[in-house]
Amino acid sequence: GQQLNQSPQSMFIQEGEDVSMNCTSSSIFNTWLWYKQEPGEGPVLLIALYKAGELTSNGRLTAQFGITRKDSFLNISASIPSDVGIYFCAGVIQGAQKLVFGQGTRLTINP
Amino acid sequence: GAVVSQHPSWVICKSGTSVKIECRSLDFQATTMFWYRQFPKQSLMLMATSNEGSKATYEQGVEKDKFLINHASLTLSTLTVTSAHPEDSSFYICSAADINNQPQHFGDGTRLSIL
Repeated sequence: GQQLNQSPQSMFIQEGEDVSMNCTSSSIFNTWLWYKQEPGEGPVLLIALYKAGELTSNGRLTAQFGITRKDSFLNISASIPSDVGIYFCAGVIQGAQKLVFGQGTRLTINP
Repeated sequence: GAVVSQHPSWVICKSGTSVKIECRSLDFQATTMFWYRQFPKQSLMLMATSNEGSKATYEQGVEKDKFLINHASLTLSTLTVTSAHPEDSSFYICSAADINNQPQHFGDGTRLSIL
């Protein structure tokens, strides 16, 4: 089945640093979504991307829908302690309803 | 914004008990709801897709008689884990999508522990 390769799997950074993570696939996706999950909670939608090449920001977060429609990245600028959590990319294949999830990127921030 | 409520948030019960988990869309009509299972330090695994008024579509390897799904209204879907055993212990999460299907919003999950 379809798979999303998300990297890195984990990141250990200093507060204030910028963060970058990405997802790639061999399949073409119609929609890319980025979620954040904190312990014991469900994922929270951060950014939704619907068009190839689309670049969207949400505060300090910026995400892009790759031109080939097979990849997406998420950047976090000037990280703060509350950015800690697991970030998941998810994609939707055209004509399908269900999401395909990446493996997640666990972000740890040293104050 | 779109809000999905999931209840209960935590269940601890004896082996052999059946457990029902509810998923509600609070401010929109959810034509489709999804049920996921998540093991520690892993990604979400889709169990089934539920469309209002029709039978759920289960992913390969998921026992439909073990995990009963009902989506009787546009705001409520339920997942019943029948005769639960310790290996069914996990974090179960629902999500809901409106008629346009994008994007999915998730509930806060249910931690199920079977003793």
